[in-house]
Amino acid sequence: AQSVAQPEDQVNVAEGNPLTVKCTYSVSGNPYLFWYVQYPNRGLQFLLKYITGDNLVKGSYGFEAEFNKSQTSFHLKKPSALVSDSALYFCAVSPPTSNTGKLIFGQGTTLQVKP
Amino acid sequence: DADVTQTPRNRITKTGKRIMLECSQTKGHDRMYWYRQDPGLGLRLIYYSFDVKDINKGEISDGYSVSRQAQAKFSLSLESAIPNQTALYFCATSERQGPQHFGDGTRLSIL
Repeated sequence: AQSVAQPEDQVNVAEGNPLTVKCTYSVSGNPYLFWYVQYPNRGLQFLLKYITGDNLVKGSYGFEAEFNKSQTSFHLKKPSALVSDSALYFCAVSPPTSNTGKLIFGQGTTLQVKP
Repeated sequence: DADVTQTPRNRITKTGKRIMLECSQTKGHDRMYWYRQDPGLGLRLIYYSFDVKDINKGEISDGYSVSRQAQAKFSLSLESAIPNQTALYFCATSERQGPQHFGDGTRLSIL
């Protein structure tokens, strides 16, 4: 079965330190990969996507993600965390064979950035 | 104004009642989706639609129905609500294989 895993329910970092939020997927072929962020009482906001090309993708708010095909991973990174980055982060995958744009979501990781 | 608008934002109702959640968009996207979010489970797809004449079931469509009244409007109905349908519901839109754009959600509680 196709799936997305975010192995950490919560990630805690100090402001100014680098952060990583992990994502691995089990989808055949070459899927499209996405990261979204959710703030309290809000919908998901698109951060970045990988379709093809350079394995390091840059997105909104200084976030970037590294695609690793051999490890089927798509980890979200930021060189210097801000308190305002504290939110719920979702990794999502769109299987290439579906042609529907349907997304399979991970369960989410709460990022807590402390001053 | 928001690009994807969901109404109501909050709803409390009783078991057995019929409920409709509405979604409208100004993005001009053909594709619209309904998801539910439960803690620890991420988002799960209920239904999706590619245009007014197209309706497709997602992974958890049982107990739900949808209507695509126009390109810009996509409503979700619970014909007879039950407590395990208590969740946060999101509508989203997209272009083909593009990122999805989400509304701010409807928090639904069924007593």
